Amino acid sequence: QVQLQESGPGLVKPSETLSLTCTVSGGSISSYYWSWIRQPPGKGLEWVGYIYYSGSTNYKPSLKSRVTISLDTSKNQFSLKLSSVTAADTAVYYCARRVVAAGSYYFDYWGQGALVTVSS
Amino acid sequence: DIQMTQSPSSLSASVGDRVTITCRASQSIRTYLNWYQQKPGKAPKLLIYAASSLQSGVPSRFSGGGSGTDFTLTISSLQPEDFATYYCQQSYSSPGFGGGTKVEIK
Repeated sequence: QVQLQESGPGLVKPSETLSLTCTVSGGSISSYYWSWIRQPPGKGLEWVGYIYYSGSTNYKPSLKSRVTISLDTSKNQFSLKLSSVTAADTAVYYCARRVVAAGSYYFDYWGQGALVTVSS
Repeated sequence: DIQMTQSPSSLSASVGDRVTITCRASQSIRTYLNWYQQKPGKAPKLLIYAASSLQSGVPSRFSGGGSGTDFTLTISSLQPEDFATYYCQQSYSSPGFGGGTKVEIK
């Protein structure tokens, strides 16, 4: 059974960089797409970006200038960095596996989520 | 960007009711449409992928339909554990989610 677990600081100051890591267990990270999705308190889901095991990335256009997703296959981890954060970036951040199957693409395994608050 | 619009944004229903949630895309997405269920404080759970394929382990009372721009998620007989928020998600282009439909107890 694949499991994902987010880790990182729960509080980030405005203008600084948010950093989160997702550790994958029960399966290899050397396949599939690995994604970050966020959810502001009381609001809906917003896709942030994903990285393919080959290293290619795709980011939400409105966040592209501030987002970097990277992969560490030796540790079975992938990471999110979001720079120049503001209060609007306060959210629960989920990592998820994106699968290509049956002619479709979907998120089948998710982490439990990590709340990141942007505040001074 | 493809916009995903769900309706209603919330509904009240009783155990045993048949419930249908609608999702509309701003352009055709063929059948690149997925449905998720989210309970408070938990991560979303995949229910339906490719518009109508039931994810392994999901009860058969859940079904999905549609293609192009209009899609539905139907719960044939609502159970107590089904009270949650449901999201559609398009995967035709860069992933995007609908605003959610909260299913509450009447």
